[in-house]
Amino acid sequence: GAVVSQHPSWVICKSGTSVKIECRSLDFQATTMFWYRQFPKQSLMLMATSNEGSKATYEQGVEKDKFLINHASLTLSTLTVTSAHPEDSSFYICSARDLEGTGGDEQYFGPGTRLTVT
Amino acid sequence: DAKTTQPTSMDCAEGRAANLPCNHSTISGNEYVYWYRQIHSQGPQYIIHGLKNNETNEMASLIITEDRKSSTLILPHATLRDTAVYYCIVRVRDAGKSTFGDGTTLTVKP
Repeated sequence: GAVVSQHPSWVICKSGTSVKIECRSLDFQATTMFWYRQFPKQSLMLMATSNEGSKATYEQGVEKDKFLINHASLTLSTLTVTSAHPEDSSFYICSARDLEGTGGDEQYFGPGTRLTVT
Repeated sequence: DAKTTQPTSMDCAEGRAANLPCNHSTISGNEYVYWYRQIHSQGPQYIIHGLKNNETNEMASLIITEDRKSSTLILPHATLRDTAVYYCIVRVRDAGKSTFGDGTTLTVKP
């Protein structure tokens, strides 16, 4: 099946700094990618929809100026957590939409990035 | 997307079939039923999906009731590695994004 990677797999940063997380579709082109956040013992919560070549669409309650999303190519979307604070510590997961695969319109998830802000 | 209801947790003996139910009574005619699972500290893994017919692949079987208001995911021979949180999601095929509920924590025991 299609593969989605994330980098880094985990990161520790100091409060006030910014962190960039990359999401790549390795063997397919993804015009649309999604970013989720998951706190301990909770489900995944959709943060935003990332569209190649256009602005991201953010879910209600997600600060677009704090979580900057860039989808500059068909295989790469980045999420930058700006001025990170301890409450931003979470597991960030991306997914990519494959419209051309054998299964039709399918969504594949990355392995996640564990962010810890100290 | 239609809301789904799943039991919070289930146990299953290793080697036995695991049957995970999901209620989606408000599902629309063009919404598919998708199942994903998430092993601890990993991204969700796609398992199977269907519209109205029963489906089977190398991982599992999906049984959808005739009125489509509920479904059951069947892992025919559960192993310890099947211990995970299983999410049932209903969405239209071209919506792309998935809305996750709380899922069912399946624990497979020796």
